[in-house]
This record gives sequence, C-alpha cells and structure tokens, in this order.
Amino acid sequence: GENVEQHPSTLSVQEGDSAVIKCTYSDSASNYFPWYKQELGKGPQLIIDIRSNVGEKKDQRIAVTLNKTAKHFSLHITETQPEDSAVYFCAATPLVGKLTFGTGTRLTIIP
Amino acid sequence: GAGVSQSPSNKVTEKGKDVELRCDPISGHTALYWYRQSLGQGLEFLIYFQGNSAPDKSGLPSDRFSAERTGGSVSTLTIQRTQQEDSAVYLCASSLGGGTGSEKLFFGSGTQLSVL
Repeated sequence: GENVEQHPSTLSVQEGDSAVIKCTYSDSASNYFPWYKQELGKGPQLIIDIRSNVGEKKDQRIAVTLNKTAKHFSLHITETQPEDSAVYFCAATPLVGKLTFGTGTRLTIIP
Repeated sequence: GAGVSQSPSNKVTEKGKDVELRCDPISGHTALYWYRQSLGQGLEFLIYFQGNSAPDKSGLPSDRFSAERTGGSVSTLTIQRTQQEDSAVYLCASSLGGGTGSEKLFFGSGTQLSVL
C-alpha cells in the first residue's frame, strides 16, 4: 500500500519568513495530494490540494508543488503569521476513500 | 453551520470494557471515514463507508474493532475488550462522496479515548 513520509517533524520560523514542509510517497498510482491543518483540540482541515495533472497550485500565501517523477510534494507558506502555528499533515491516495497521511509537522511561528 | 459531530469528546474506560463512539456526518454527505490518531503519530485509516456499498474495513487493526452506519447517516465505532494501546483520538470525517478519489474530507473534533 501507499506510504507517505513527511519532514521535518517540527519547524520554527520567524514571523514573516517562509516555511516549507516536504513529503514523499511510494505508490506511483497516487493521483491526489491534499494538505490538512490541525489546530489544538480540533480535527484536521483541508487547506490546499493538488492533483497529479498539475505541477503547482497557489492560494494566497499557500502553495503546493508536485514532482511525480521523484514522488514528492511540498507545502510552501509565505509571509508566515502567528495563526499559521499548527500541525500540518500531507496525504496521498490512489484510491477513493483511503487517504494515507504523513506523520505531521508541528509549525511554530515566532513573533 | 452543522459540521461533523462526534460524541463523546472524551472517554475514559477500564481495560477490558467495551466502548462506543458516535459520529454524525454533515447532512447530504454520502461518504464517512474513521481515522485513529495516536500521540505524535499521523492519521491511521480505519474504515470507509460510501452510500449503500459494503464498507472498506481494511484498516481495522483487529476483530475487536467494528463499525456500522445506520440509514446512511450516523455511524458508531465499537471497540470491544479495550486495551491500553487503543488509547488515541478517534476522528470521523465525511465527504460528499461520488467516487472521484479527490474529495475534501470534513473532520469532526474527535473522541479522546483513554484506556486505564
């Protein structure tokens, strides 16, 4: 089955700087790659996703890039703000319903 | 607005007891998922319901775990003879369904299960 590795596990950046989180996946059939943000005491919330026919997608300060050849994808957050502090999860799936998640990155924005 | 609702939010039980966790999905969502989140770990897939189709139970870790979805809406995850390693946050999610493989999941806040 699919295996998703995510790093770093923790990341601290100065407010206003950029943050990058990277994931690799194992199943070349995977074609959907969402990113979820989880705040303390809450369930994960989708923030951006990308499909295999696209190499990059942007939504304001958030962007995701996908390299299908290398089987890796990354989340980029620019101009970070304190409210960006949370745990971020990447995920991948070749199949309906079975999202495989990475182990998460705890992002801390230092004011 | 009505999101995914899970109850209870916290459950403390003794080893060997059975527990039931409940999930109310978003109205109109045909797909429902259960995931488990252990401390410091990612989200582990447990089970997936899509409409009236047979559920995908491939993620259930043992036969002590079962889930049902009544009337295509509310779901209950049951853990029998709980063990300490069952302690985790159990997350439920729902989505519109339709089998596209690229669906936005809406998660509830989870049930924190502690087995003493």
